[in-house]
Amino acid sequence: QSALTQPASVSGSLGQSITISCTGSSSDLGNSNLVSWYQQHPGKAPKLIIYEGNKRHSGISHRFSGSKSGNTASLTISGLQTEDEAVYYCCSFAGFGSPWVFGGGTMLTVL
Amino acid sequence: QVQLQQWGAGLLKPSETLSLTCALYGGSFSGYYWSWIRQSPGKRLEWIGEINHDEGTDYNPSLKSRVTMSIDSSKNQFSLKLRSMTAADAAVYYCARRAVRAFDIWGQGTMVTVSS
Repeated sequence: QSALTQPASVSGSLGQSITISCTGSSSDLGNSNLVSWYQQHPGKAPKLIIYEGNKRHSGISHRFSGSKSGNTASLTISGLQTEDEAVYYCCSFAGFGSPWVFGGGTMLTVL
Repeated sequence: QVQLQQWGAGLLKPSETLSLTCALYGGSFSGYYWSWIRQSPGKRLEWIGEINHDEGTDYNPSLKSRVTMSIDSSKNQFSLKLRSMTAADAAVYYCARRAVRAFDIWGQGTMVTVSS
């Protein structure tokens, strides 16, 4: 079971847009529509923001969007706000036997 | 509002068994999968396994030999046992609800330390 690959950190200025990538393989992310993204603030549990690659979870701002192409999924946050500063994790279904794999997390810094 | 609240011992000695319980408030067990996920000190998330209301289980192969999950629908609780704990198992352990597509409800987390 291999973890998904994310950049360790990204940064962006207030009001700008950023994109976080999540790369897997044809065994997991590339062969699944069940890609999700989570936001985690320090000391808190992860919070679901995107599921099925591009669907926003209930109550999540339209500034968050997701997409997938081949073995790579992406999370885009537009109009960056200070409260977006957090660690973001991707997750994918990876087949029966060991179904769920996560990325290593990306720390977003809002400048 | 659906909530998960978890509890269990946070300090274990090597070789002991971790025992955590998660209580569901404001919802039903049916139609969902009840998962345990841990987060290492390096912040990586690892899926441990899950159980459904029919007591069907699915475990991470890397932990399968040491894991047992159970569910008590009468108490709206589900539990995790992880045997033969070592320092490598030190992490924050979360319970979570998986609604087929994703993990949409999480417990508050339990920090587990393994030290002699």
